[in-house]
Amino acid sequence: DQQVKQNSPSLSVQEGRISILNCDYTNSMFDYFLWYKKYPAEGPTFLISISSIKDKNEDGRFTVFLNKSAKHLSLHIVPSQPGDSAVYFCAASTSGKLIFGQGTTLQVKP
Amino acid sequence: DSGVTQTPKHLITATGQRVTLRCSPRSGDLSVYWYQQSLDQGLQFLIQYYNGEERAKGNILERFSAQQFPDLHSELNLSSLELGDSALYFCASTPLLRSGGLDTQYFGPGTRLTVL
Repeated sequence: DQQVKQNSPSLSVQEGRISILNCDYTNSMFDYFLWYKKYPAEGPTFLISISSIKDKNEDGRFTVFLNKSAKHLSLHIVPSQPGDSAVYFCAASTSGKLIFGQGTTLQVKP
Repeated sequence: DSGVTQTPKHLITATGQRVTLRCSPRSGDLSVYWYQQSLDQGLQFLIQYYNGEERAKGNILERFSAQQFPDLHSELNLSSLELGDSALYFCASTPLLRSGGLDTQYFGPGTRLTVL
């Protein structure tokens, strides 16, 4: 039972354009949602989070949107840079546990 | 550098064997989490320890066990290894018991286990 799903395994965008990564979830009890970025041979690193009581959180080039009625989460990166190329995991938190999606590989082309 | 260390980086072993993976959390962090990432899979939560005690269990097999020592480092023991146990194993730490938006998990670089 996949409670957190990232349906796009990969995404390719041009440098300077917007990258939109999507995530869907099924459990309405999730209280926090997070995005992690992972480079090869490294552990995931925290990027941005959003509480379930908010619908938007912004940090520099990164914005996370939460649509609770649709149980949908998205990460916008504007403008995208080649250094953003990595695997992005969305995660949802409940009872202190993080449930991760399968990840989306983002490639930003110069 | 997240401040979380994991050893070894790579481990190659045979089916039926037993291995121990080690994790040192960030200085001051009391909670340690273990995750498994298999090929094409997201990170699967295995188990959490807080200040030496088991606090939450996820999809951890009975062949797997973990513990957290008084110095707060943790070990994940995998026994009777099968080919399907080949994966990346990550540990993460947080200062407190709960994690979420206010208490982000910091991940180590992982241990890549290959079972032949």
